[in-house]
Amino acid sequence: QVQLQESGPGLVKPSETLSLTCTVSGGSISSSDWWSWVRQPPGRGLEWIGEIYHTGSTNYNPSLKSRVTISVDKSKNQFSLKLSSVTAADTAIYYCARVAYSGNHYGDFDFWGQGTLVSVSS
Amino acid sequence: SSELTQDPAVSVALGQTVRITCQGDSLRTYYATWYQQKPGQAPVLVIYGKNNRPSGIPDRFSGSSSGNTASLTITGAQAEDEADYYCNSRDNSNTLFVFGTGTKVTVL
Repeated sequence: QVQLQESGPGLVKPSETLSLTCTVSGGSISSSDWWSWVRQPPGRGLEWIGEIYHTGSTNYNPSLKSRVTISVDKSKNQFSLKLSSVTAADTAIYYCARVAYSGNHYGDFDFWGQGTLVSVSS
Repeated sequence: SSELTQDPAVSVALGQTVRITCQGDSLRTYYATWYQQKPGQAPVLVIYGKNNRPSGIPDRFSGSSSGNTASLTITGAQAEDEADYYCNSRDNSNTLFVFGTGTKVTVL
């Protein structure tokens, strides 16, 4: 059973960079799957941030692309999110998730981390 | 268009059937995937592909699609099905994902 766990600061100051790491256990980050970040502002819906493959290939949400970097560390079975120049609008629960492409899956978010709340405030 | 539109809220009587819809241009090309999210919890995959359920998801959940509309049907809704439901799919560029606006299901 694949498990994902987000980690990182719960409070970030405006204009600074939000940094989160997702640790994958129970499976290899070098599988045929992609790895994604999704966020959810309090009381609102889900927003896809971006995804990465173990080769380093990435896709980003155009609305965030200028501020987002997703990277992978295969040696640690981790992938990370950096979001620069944050404002209060970036306050959200941030989830990491596996985007499955194995078996009969074709781009389904089948395993999710528990989520971590990141607040942007001075 | 990269938008997926859902009704904000629906209600269903205990044991009855409810259909949740998701509309968007990308659904003419890609299947919708459906997620259930209960308060304070991460989303859970409930339907993927044409109409597939992950292990552990009850068979009262089913999916279908026609044109630009995908549907999630709960046949014989239970109290534990009360949750927010989100659809998602690739957009037509095939490089991005988009989530639906979400539907809150209340079981009466």
